[in-house]
Amino acid sequence: QKEVEQNSGPLSVPEGAIASLNCTYSDRGSQSFFWYRQYSGKSPELIMFIYSNGDKEDGRFTAQLNKASQYVSLLIRDSQPSDSATYLCAVNPGNQFYFGTGTSLTVIP
Amino acid sequence: GAVVSQHPSWVICKSGTSVKIECRSLDFQATTMFWYRQFPKQSLMLMATSNEGSKATYEQGVEKDKFLINHASLTLSTLTVTSAHPEDSSFYICSASSGLSIDEQFFGPGTRLTVL
Repeated sequence: QKEVEQNSGPLSVPEGAIASLNCTYSDRGSQSFFWYRQYSGKSPELIMFIYSNGDKEDGRFTAQLNKASQYVSLLIRDSQPSDSATYLCAVNPGNQFYFGTGTSLTVIP
Repeated sequence: GAVVSQHPSWVICKSGTSVKIECRSLDFQATTMFWYRQFPKQSLMLMATSNEGSKATYEQGVEKDKFLINHASLTLSTLTVTSAHPEDSSFYICSASSGLSIDEQFFGPGTRLTVL
């Protein structure tokens, strides 16, 4: 398995704050990067993906990619209690996806 | 959006028996399907990648004779856990890709297997 690392957390933020989730990867050949949200007992659901260096925004979510540093992050603005979940970073170096261990996020009302 | 189903959603079986899990793409043709396993509080671990009409490619450490994968059509892949043991108890998740967008995959809801 290719190495994808995430801080397992748990990460706690108050409602309305910005949650910042980080991920590093080891395969420099990786071309695309994904953030998934997984609720307990459920399968992952795609939040967003990013291919190019820089920021990509979608609603309250912003993905940031820095290929030189092999680093991808996810910012969640105006965090809501419903955002409480495990967030998985995934990397696609070719024809497969490799997942990090996930970061558990709790948004406190 | 693309929908992937799995059946059954949960199964309990006795040690030594075999269990088949189905993964179906309901509204698109899946050229590639992936099978993952997830133990409690751990991330998804890719088990194998299957392309329609060809043999699955297994990840290192995954026994291909124990986890039989068949991708007989563009909408169906099956995973059979043969001679299941308690350590095979896990959450098995499939995902499917149409190949139209090489980077996207759509997850099924998962199958929780408990081996007694």
